[in-house]
Amino acid sequence: DSGVTQTPKHLITATGQRVTLRCSPRSGDLSVYWYQQSLDQGLQFLIQYYNGEERAKGNILERFSAQQFPDLHSELNLSSLELGDSALYFCASSVSAGQGAHEQFFGPGTRLTVL
Amino acid sequence: TQLLEQSPQFLSIQEGENLTVYCNSSSVFSSLQWYRQEPGEGPVLLVTVVTGGEVKKLKRLTFQFGDARKDSSLHITAAQPGDTGLYLCAGAEWDSNYQLIWGAGTKLIIKP
Repeated sequence: DSGVTQTPKHLITATGQRVTLRCSPRSGDLSVYWYQQSLDQGLQFLIQYYNGEERAKGNILERFSAQQFPDLHSELNLSSLELGDSALYFCASSVSAGQGAHEQFFGPGTRLTVL
Repeated sequence: TQLLEQSPQFLSIQEGENLTVYCNSSSVFSSLQWYRQEPGEGPVLLVTVVTGGEVKKLKRLTFQFGDARKDSSLHITAAQPGDTGLYLCAGAEWDSNYQLIWGAGTKLIIKP
């Protein structure tokens, strides 16, 4: 158990809909990262938050947005969903500073299926 | 844009064999990590290498960071079916963003 929690575990929805994925980082971790992983693919970095502020953006679509709340949990919002958005979505967290700051701890993921 | 290339992309071998997978870049990293991911689960950190030339061992797994900090290798001795999974390397950039550059992964299957 990494200490990172994600809900829901599975999500099935229709094209055009909007969903929200939730992540709670490990206790004390200030950084949260979101990744997308399509079938048999590597991890695609979407976005990073640090202590409530956006720190880095990757290949995140304009239809997707995220935020990190004062209690450090994060939500990833996916709107106008398309079939191609079906994937595993992972959240990871890391410590705030120091050598270990690059070590990321992943949640179990949310499997999104868009029908 | 920094890239990490992993090779091979796919490897299927018999239990008991040895194997090496590679992670290469033209860029220098402050550190490099290896993760293993099982189907349907999140990646799990195996090791972090920081110093050029560093070698770390985790039971039957040996990790090495290149002298120039641009590449790394993972060697598995006497592979077992439990080693099956997607092995991902990730390099840390020399800035304060703590963002990782990810390789595409090596899918490893160990047949009993």
